[in-house]
Amino acid sequence: GAGVSQSPRYKVAKRGQDVALRCDPISGHVSLFWYQQALGQGPEFLTYFQNEAQLDKSGLPSDRFFAERPEGSVSTLKIQRTQQEDSAVYLCASSFPEGNNPGGRQYFGPGTRLTVT
Amino acid sequence: RKEVEQDPGPFNVPEGATVAFNCTYSNSASQSFFWYRQDCRKEPKLLMSVYSSGNEDGRFTAQLNRASQYISLLIRDSKLSDSATYLCVPRNDYKLSFGAGTTVTVRA
Repeated sequence: GAGVSQSPRYKVAKRGQDVALRCDPISGHVSLFWYQQALGQGPEFLTYFQNEAQLDKSGLPSDRFFAERPEGSVSTLKIQRTQQEDSAVYLCASSFPEGNNPGGRQYFGPGTRLTVT
Repeated sequence: RKEVEQDPGPFNVPEGATVAFNCTYSNSASQSFFWYRQDCRKEPKLLMSVYSSGNEDGRFTAQLNRASQYISLLIRDSKLSDSATYLCVPRNDYKLSFGAGTTVTVRA
């Protein structure tokens, strides 16, 4: 079946612009995650949804970052007033709970590469 | 101090060689452990889980030492297609913590 998809794949924004990144998880996956991967680093956790509920947003770097998943399927990560340090690849992952682990095996989308100029 | 520390490499090895590398993690509450593989400009993909008893998956062998909070990966009979960045990933509940990765380049 189809994997996790993300759009756009590439985004160039001028400093101060707002951007919205979309994630379409695997159908039926309850859990959805956003990660930020800076150049030369591993992905860093941003936020976690279970269905439409945002259960953990501890990784969001500032209040300029906002994520939503209103119907428990598609999710949008919004970054307001982008800064150069926001330049990174934003990865989305989805999963279905396994046993007593609410996260389960996470399947990653191809990411959105954001460049802020 | 980062939660997961990895030798960034790169490890440049000829085809057929054995290459091994490891990572250390600081969160003793981590419950599960994984190695992910990430190709250049691609998303991470699960390579294998890591168990305390050690486990193999074909040419790949992973080991976990909970007391030392140390995880290793060994690749035997390296193939050109093994060239990638290998990410060490402890998991605590639903949260994955990624290392920065170890880059392996296999040359012909």
